[in-house]
Amino acid sequence: DGGITQSPKYLFRKEGQNVTLSCEQNLNHDAMYWYRQDPGQGLRLIYYSQIVNDFQKGDIAEGYSVSREKKESFPLTVTSAQKNPTAFYLCASSIDLGRNYGYTFGSGTRLTVV
Amino acid sequence: RKEVEQDPGPFNVPEGATVAFNCTYSNSASQSFFWYRQDCRKEPKLLMSVYSSGNEDGRFTAQLNRASQYISLLIRDSKLSDSATYLCVFYSGGGADGLTFGKGTHLIIQP
Repeated sequence: DGGITQSPKYLFRKEGQNVTLSCEQNLNHDAMYWYRQDPGQGLRLIYYSQIVNDFQKGDIAEGYSVSREKKESFPLTVTSAQKNPTAFYLCASSIDLGRNYGYTFGSGTRLTVV
Repeated sequence: RKEVEQDPGPFNVPEGATVAFNCTYSNSASQSFFWYRQDCRKEPKLLMSVYSSGNEDGRFTAQLNRASQYISLLIRDSKLSDSATYLCVFYSGGGADGLTFGKGTHLIIQP
């Protein structure tokens, strides 16, 4: 079955460490997105990519980096520059920027700084 | 003015009741609309698209009012399993980043 897979499900990071969250899709979608969700809050866009080897900053890109070397993969690195990284991270993909079919989300990665 | 506004709730509703909530949007150029459902500590999932003529899917009815710039979701004969947060989502085109998400309305169905 086609879908979007995020790993790991839970991630613990020590302060000052960089960590990378994986996002893989086999839906043949061109566009991919990373969102952050804090408890009781809405989704905030971190980065998005419409095509391989191209990506754009979202509303809260500081302290994060991404790459898009393959259509299927859009990993997110949370760097030590991100001062408050504890959150629920969601990856999504779309075939048409969401216009007709919306987004498909992965099951998320819950990051905790210890 | 915020791009999209939803009453955060929570709405506490007895099982079997009918519940409805609205979502207002500020961008008149918005082209397509969706309702997503998000369970606690899970990812959002597409519940239904919202069409201009209104549409129904089982116990769920979605409507769009372009003149007043809001969409609505009505749930009939509510079930305990309907308890979730419902996100209002729309696509405005133009920008490359796709959809705009509301913060959601929290619904609790009580036995």
